[in-house]
Amino acid sequence: TQLLEQSPQFLSIQEGENLTVYCNSSSVFSSLQWYRQEPGEGPVLLVTVVTGGEVKKLKRLTFQFGDARKDSSLHITAAQPGDTGLYLCAGLKTSYDKVIFGPGTSLSVIP
Amino acid sequence: SQTIHQWPATLVQPVGSPLSLECTVEGTSNPNLYWYRQAAGRGLQLLFYSVGIGQISSEVPQNLSASRPQDRQFILSSKKLLLSDSGFYLCAWTMTGLLDGYTFGSGTRLTVV
Repeated sequence: TQLLEQSPQFLSIQEGENLTVYCNSSSVFSSLQWYRQEPGEGPVLLVTVVTGGEVKKLKRLTFQFGDARKDSSLHITAAQPGDTGLYLCAGLKTSYDKVIFGPGTSLSVIP
Repeated sequence: SQTIHQWPATLVQPVGSPLSLECTVEGTSNPNLYWYRQAAGRGLQLLFYSVGIGQISSEVPQNLSASRPQDRQFILSSKKLLLSDSGFYLCAWTMTGLLDGYTFGSGTRLTVV
């Protein structure tokens, strides 16, 4: 069974703090995606990483794909209340395969 | 531009009643369509996917069924709802490959009472 684990499950921080959330698996993925979901809405794609060791930056968000393609991290600098939401990682075995979603990290940024 | 519509936004149904959730996509043709279910604040479970009209693949044996009567229409149904069918149902589409990621609808919150 291909499983993605995410940690921490819940995270509550003050505005302006930095944070890192993690996505881990025992399986190798060809690529990995991160989504953010706000309450009552569908997830929205943030980034896709496809190369082992790849680092992508999206404003204050930095995404890294592990060298072995089994894990990924999301680092947020100077968190803002607008960053609040459920962060989901999703792994793909191939570009045509089905996506495996992790359980998510629920982030709350307190003003 | 492509848009995806899903309705209703919320639904409260008694146990044993039927269900029909509809999803339509605009601005594209021959999309791959998906139904996911999400438990409260948790990850997504793939229920059904379709690569074309009348083509449905089921991922999880359950009380639900799906149909694709038109290219850009995807319907999730049940003849008799169970309490365990409660959840947040999400429709999504993508083109042939998944590297561009899913585009999700805004979801339907189903509560079976």
